[in-house]
Amino acid sequence: AAGVIQSPRHLIKEKRETATLKCYPIPRHDTVYWYQQGPGQDPQFLISFYEKMQSDKGSIPDRFSAQQFSDYHSELNMSSLELGDSALYFCASSLLEGTFGYTFGSGTRLTVV
Amino acid sequence: KQEVTQIPAALSVPEGENLVLNCSFTDSAIYNLQWFRQDPGKGLTSLLLIQSSQREQTSGRLNASLDKSSGRSTLYIAASQPGDSATYLCAVALRETSGSRLTFGEGTQLTVNP
Repeated sequence: AAGVIQSPRHLIKEKRETATLKCYPIPRHDTVYWYQQGPGQDPQFLISFYEKMQSDKGSIPDRFSAQQFSDYHSELNMSSLELGDSALYFCASSLLEGTFGYTFGSGTRLTVV
Repeated sequence: KQEVTQIPAALSVPEGENLVLNCSFTDSAIYNLQWFRQDPGKGLTSLLLIQSSQREQTSGRLNASLDKSSGRSTLYIAASQPGDSATYLCAVALRETSGSRLTFGEGTQLTVNP
């Protein structure tokens, strides 16, 4: 069965650079979520999209932005990167805003040096 | 604001033991609750999903229960194996806002010793 695909798997950036993370949800899933997991921490909700519209916003820095495209894939854009942005970034998708649960991708490990 | 707590934070058991992981949440108006497994540095693997109208779900050696009124869920693992070693995360979805974001507990780190 198709899963949630995230790219790249690993990313190394320098401070003040920009990074773009991509997420391809399970086909026919209409909701995409982004989470950030710092070392030794639980995942923290950043932002979600339902049918290509932003549906909820969590603790996402103003330096970050995201969008969902017509083919339902989503991108998380992170600018002016800081050392503290180093984390695992997960994308999850669901049908009908979580009615049948959530499926997570394998994550993108971002390291800012 | 929903808060999710998991007890214990870490657990080490010998192979073959039955064990219970606990999850509590502060807002009982949940939409659903999901248990995940996470291996070090890896993604989240869904184990069991319990809808707010359900009391329990079972999959193989795993059984999860839900008591909304008391704000508690338990994950029961029968006949534990070394391959069960991982961090187990409980996550709760509320329907108070659109999107039904998940709020996670801090996890229970399980080690099953051969």
